[in-house]
Amino acid sequence: QSALTQPPSASGSPGQSVTISCTGTTSDVGGYNSVSWYQQHPGKAPKLIIYEVSERPSGVPNRFSGSKSGNTASLTVSGLQADDEADYYCCSYAGSDSLAVFGTGTKVTVL
Amino acid sequence: VQLTQSGAEVKKPGASVKVSCKASGYTFITYYMNWVRQAPGQGLEWMGMINPSGGSTRYAQKFQGRVTMTRDKSTSTVFMELSSLRSEDTAVYYCARGDCSSPSCWLDYWGQGTPVNVPS
Repeated sequence: QSALTQPPSASGSPGQSVTISCTGTTSDVGGYNSVSWYQQHPGKAPKLIIYEVSERPSGVPNRFSGSKSGNTASLTVSGLQADDEADYYCCSYAGSDSLAVFGTGTKVTVL
Repeated sequence: VQLTQSGAEVKKPGASVKVSCKASGYTFITYYMNWVRQAPGQGLEWMGMINPSGGSTRYAQKFQGRVTMTRDKSTSTVFMELSSLRSEDTAVYYCARGDCSSPSCWLDYWGQGTPVNVPS
């Protein structure tokens, strides 16, 4: 099972929005509504910020939103703040044989 | 909810490592536990999961034959053992609560990570 494809980096100024893509295949992203997104600050464990494509766990600001079209899922961070500077990973269910696959990761920089 | 992992390990190539993850703050048997690793400067990699209730496991194909996940219900602890270690196994290993066994994959609580170093 190959990793999902994400851009290596993305950036935006405080208050702006940034959108990160996550491209897979019909065997993972395109086949199920089961994409999740994780935020990881340096030296820390990942944190769940989106699950089931667009659902936010309790406590996650509504500045974080998710969507999906075909084989590509997207995470949008609106109203960028300094603390949003982190690595972001998507993850998708990949069928009963492979189960789960992560994306390659995107480093978001707040300019 | 808290997942507390065992400490850092240094192992020789060919050896095995066993990492523990003690769960607290919720009913242990009601959530699957997953293991995810991250090599230095690299991305996340899903290794497999265990159902703490019955002990059934599912492993990523890459680790089949080398990884064993077990649990101890009496102490609410899961274990991940990786054998035949090589330098490429140098990584931080995380346990993470969640369910990737059905068409919905999410990992909502993570341990602090256990660094495993396999010097070449």
